Amino acid sequence: DTEVTQTPKHLVMGMTNKKSLKCEQHMGHRAMYWYKQKAKKPPELMFVYSYEKLSINESVPSRFSPECPNSSLLNLHLHALQPEDSALYLCASSQGSGEGGELFFGEGSRLTVL
Amino acid sequence: DAKTTQPPSMDCAEGRAANLPCNHSTISGNEYVYWYRQIHSQGPQYIIHGLKNNETNEMASLIITEDRKSSTLILPHATLRDTAVYYCIVRPGGYNKLIFGAGTRLAVHP
Repeated sequence: DTEVTQTPKHLVMGMTNKKSLKCEQHMGHRAMYWYKQKAKKPPELMFVYSYEKLSINESVPSRFSPECPNSSLLNLHLHALQPEDSALYLCASSQGSGEGGELFFGEGSRLTVL
Repeated sequence: DAKTTQPPSMDCAEGRAANLPCNHSTISGNEYVYWYRQIHSQGPQYIIHGLKNNETNEMASLIITEDRKSSTLILPHATLRDTAVYYCIVRPGGYNKLIFGAGTRLAVHP
């Protein structure tokens, strides 16, 4: 199983809603990532978890709250978002550190904030 | 992290080799060159990576110059399904951060 599964594939939410994006992998990977991608732009790194601990936060606003309940799951909790937060949110995983740590990406969750 | 420079777009005829260049003149000795691609509406896909030697796998070949300041990704027989944005990324070994640049939009046409 070399898949990273993201749910939901599409999400529409209002600015006062609270929602969550979910990501799951069963490859035994110990590093997991959240990226944000706006249309026609490259993916931008948001967060990195390594061995279930947050290791990198790229100065992401607090309305985005990541959570890693265990080594297979990664959540992104969303609250009080703005319309400019509408984007494709990509989850990825890798074995951990070290050379050859290729990232496996999911298909993404497309978020629309009204 | 070392920056990369890629042409914004390239065209290639189906069945011909696609050669995608990347400049990384400030690359450090411990930084690897990675290539990913992103087909429209999909997540990025790993293609290949290398440190200083040329590498080949079932998808592509990676040619790194001796001074490591540039590299070329070669798709030997491009197909329509290879139409995608190709990202060249330099990344230190043992480092979990993967930062994407603007990439090259490759269009393969019949």
